[in-house]
Amino acid sequence: DAGITQSPRHKVTETGTPVTLRCHQTENHRYMYWYRQDPGHGLRLIHYSYGVKDTDKGEVSDGYSVSRSKTEDFLLTLESATSSQTSVYFCAIRPQGGDTEAFFGQGTRLTVV
Amino acid sequence: GQNIDQPTEMTATEGAIVQINCTYQTSGFNGLFWYQQHAGEAPTFLSYNVLDGLEEKGRFSSFLSRSKGYSYLLLKELQMKDSASYLCAVQTGANNLFFGTGTRLTVIP
Repeated sequence: DAGITQSPRHKVTETGTPVTLRCHQTENHRYMYWYRQDPGHGLRLIHYSYGVKDTDKGEVSDGYSVSRSKTEDFLLTLESATSSQTSVYFCAIRPQGGDTEAFFGQGTRLTVV
Repeated sequence: GQNIDQPTEMTATEGAIVQINCTYQTSGFNGLFWYQQHAGEAPTFLSYNVLDGLEEKGRFSSFLSRSKGYSYLLLKELQMKDSASYLCAVQTGANNLFFGTGTRLTVIP
């Protein structure tokens, strides 16, 4: 199994509070991604990173920020959580682009009440 | 933007063959992936196509036509454990992966 760990695995938070989700890898892979998965929408890309301090927005980035200060860690922050951000969040890693597969973490179930 | 379409649900019988289609309209196409996702679990890689044609991997095969923006995943000799969601993902030139909404396959005895 690819060495990828998401924390926490479950979280309940209140509307308006900041929340940070962590993705940690032990594979030294270059690319890291954050997705959210919701019924009827599938996996939607929030932000991605192609190296330390190199990040960019995906298709649903509003309300989210990311940071990657070390190769192994990719943090996703909800600055002020809203109920619409209740979702399952998946982190994925890839050694490079092209034909390399993405390996997914086990997901974080976030509920905003 | 990216537009990736898959059927929402399919049902097939154990031992049979099922084909799951995926059509896409994207900018900067750079390959197509299929993933399997069991309920409550993470997606796992099944196949990759970048050139036109068929890629076979055991009971699973995947086909791509770039000119038509079309792919399918073919599952043979269906087993109960194949009940899962199947996700089509398109890679763009920036090495991003954009996913369709997924097809939930139910295998019945």
